[in-house]
Amino acid sequence: DQQVKQNSPSLSVQEGRISILNCDYTNSMFDYFLWYKKYPAEGPTFLISISSIKDKNEDGRFTVFLNKSAKHLSLHIVPSQPGDSAVYFCAASVIQGAQKLVFGQGTRLTINP
Amino acid sequence: DSGVTQTPKHLITATGQRVTLRCSPRSGDLSVYWYQQSLDQGLQFLIQYYNGEERAKGNILERFSAQQFPDLHSELNLSSLELGDSALYFCASSKQVTDTQYFGPGTRLTVL
Repeated sequence: DQQVKQNSPSLSVQEGRISILNCDYTNSMFDYFLWYKKYPAEGPTFLISISSIKDKNEDGRFTVFLNKSAKHLSLHIVPSQPGDSAVYFCAASVIQGAQKLVFGQGTRLTINP
Repeated sequence: DSGVTQTPKHLITATGQRVTLRCSPRSGDLSVYWYQQSLDQGLQFLIQYYNGEERAKGNILERFSAQQFPDLHSELNLSSLELGDSALYFCASSKQVTDTQYFGPGTRLTVL
């Protein structure tokens, strides 16, 4: 049972344009969502998070949007840079004394010069 | 560099064997998490420790066990290894239970 889904295995975007990565979830109990970036041979690197009490969070070029009614979140990267090429994972958790992150399968983002 | 260290980086062993993976959390972090990333399953939560005590369990096999020591480093023990245990094993740490998790570089386990 895939509780967190990233339906696009890959995405290719021109340098300087906007990259939009999408994530859907099924468990309405999730109240905390994160995006991680992963380069080959490295561990996931935390990018940005959002609590279920918000619908938007920004950090520099990265913005995460949360639509609770649609159980959907997205990560916007503007402008996209070659160094953004990586695999992006969305993750979700229910914070009740523990934080068991449930990850999506990942989307491979390629930024073309 | 997240500040989380994992050793060894690579491990090759045979079926039926037992291995120990080690994780040192970031300075000041009390909580340690273990995840498994296999080709067909993605990143799966295994177990969490907080200040030496087990806090949460995921889909961790009975052949697997973990502990967190007084100096806060953690070890994941995998026994009676099977081919399907070949995967990347990541450790993450956070200051408190609900804080952001920072991941180590992982240990790649290959079971032949």
